[in-house]
Amino acid sequence: GENVEQHPSTLSVQEGDSAVIKCTYSDSASNYFPWYKQELGKRPQLIIDIRSNVGEKKDQRIAVTLNKTAKHFSLHITETQPEDSAVYFCAASPTPSGGYNKLIFGAGTRLAVHP
Amino acid sequence: SQTIHQWPATLVQPVGSPLSLECTVEGTSNPNLYWYRQAAGRGLQLLFYSVGIGQISSEVPQNLSASRPQDRQFILSSKKLLLSDSGFYLCAWSVKGGAFFGQGTRLTVV
Repeated sequence: GENVEQHPSTLSVQEGDSAVIKCTYSDSASNYFPWYKQELGKRPQLIIDIRSNVGEKKDQRIAVTLNKTAKHFSLHITETQPEDSAVYFCAASPTPSGGYNKLIFGAGTRLAVHP
Repeated sequence: SQTIHQWPATLVQPVGSPLSLECTVEGTSNPNLYWYRQAAGRGLQLLFYSVGIGQISSEVPQNLSASRPQDRQFILSSKKLLLSDSGFYLCAWSVKGGAFFGQGTRLTVV
């Protein structure tokens, strides 16, 4: 089955700096890669996703890149702000012909943005 | 728009007691439904998923079970809770993309 590894487990940056979180996956059939942000005590929230037919996707200060050959994908946050502090999870999903997706999550990255 | 309801928000149960957590989705038909568990400070572990009424797939062996009696209802149960069942339980739904989570149930087994 799919296995997703996420690095680093913790990341500390100064406000305004960039943050990069990286994930690798094992199942070459995976073709959908979402990222979630989880604030303390809250539910994970989908912030951005990418499908395997796209190499990069951007939404304001966040972007995701995907390298299918190497089986890794990354989250990039630019101009970080204190409210970006949270735990971020990557996930990967193979999509069988039935169309459903079974998300397998990485272990998470705790991002701290210091003013 | 789609919404997902999960209750209760918090629960404290003694060891050996039964468990029933309920999740309902509104505004969509035939969603894929999931139960995840998150131990304190850890990642999200997929417990069960369902692609339709009565169709349940289990990802990890455990003393929990799941049922889907209606299209938009997903229930997580246990006959006898263990201390190790403590955690943050999250129900989620998806159709063709990312999963969207309920507010979660923080379960403490004492």
